[in-house]
Amino acid sequence: QVQLKESGPGLVQPSRTLSLTCTVSGFSLTSYGVSWVRQPPGKGLEWIAAIWSGGSTDYNSALKSRLSISRDTSKSQVLLKMNSLQTEDTAMYFCARGGYFDFWGPGTMVTVSS
Amino acid sequence: DVVMTQTPPSLSVAIGQSVSISCKSSQSLVYSDGKTYLHWLLQSPGQSPKLLIYQVSNLGSGVPDRFSGTGSQKDFTLKISRVEAEDLGVYYCVQATHFPYTFGAGTKLELK
Repeated sequence: QVQLKESGPGLVQPSRTLSLTCTVSGFSLTSYGVSWVRQPPGKGLEWIAAIWSGGSTDYNSALKSRLSISRDTSKSQVLLKMNSLQTEDTAMYFCARGGYFDFWGPGTMVTVSS
Repeated sequence: DVVMTQTPPSLSVAIGQSVSISCKSSQSLVYSDGKTYLHWLLQSPGQSPKLLIYQVSNLGSGVPDRFSGTGSQKDFTLKISRVEAEDLGVYYCVQATHFPYTFGAGTKLELK
């Protein structure tokens, strides 16, 4: 069955770079895209970036200068990097399948604090 | 960016009642292929969001037909007939027609 699972460091210091991994199973990254979405504590959802089945990428324009999304199809993994982290980047980070958001991972909490 | 305005922000309902949630976009959500990429998600407490309806009116896999979606262009509605306890949580609309994709602020459905 289709599954996605996020992994990350949990705690990141301000100004450092965040690296997150989404590991998928039950589908191929060459057939479906993957989006990253985040949710600050007690707040709503924000789309961050996506990588599509052909390898092209799209970013939230408000965050684009700080983001990089890539994939390793041999490992069924999508990687998200975000630099210059600030406290307002503290959030639950989810990966979801494609632009239909039909399957989601459980999320990984990222706290930005010194 | 496309602004998605959801109303009401919260709803208090009794089990068995029917409710509607509105989602309005600042631009038409009709894509160049003629399709409208407006979806509805439910985030139950402590859970990841779950897809309920895609492309305005198509039920997601395993979603009961108590849920229905209607609308076009910039004005969309999610209706829940005969609310059940498992329907409680926060409902979000999301547009995937224009980049960046954007979500509504959410509608919290609570028990009366």
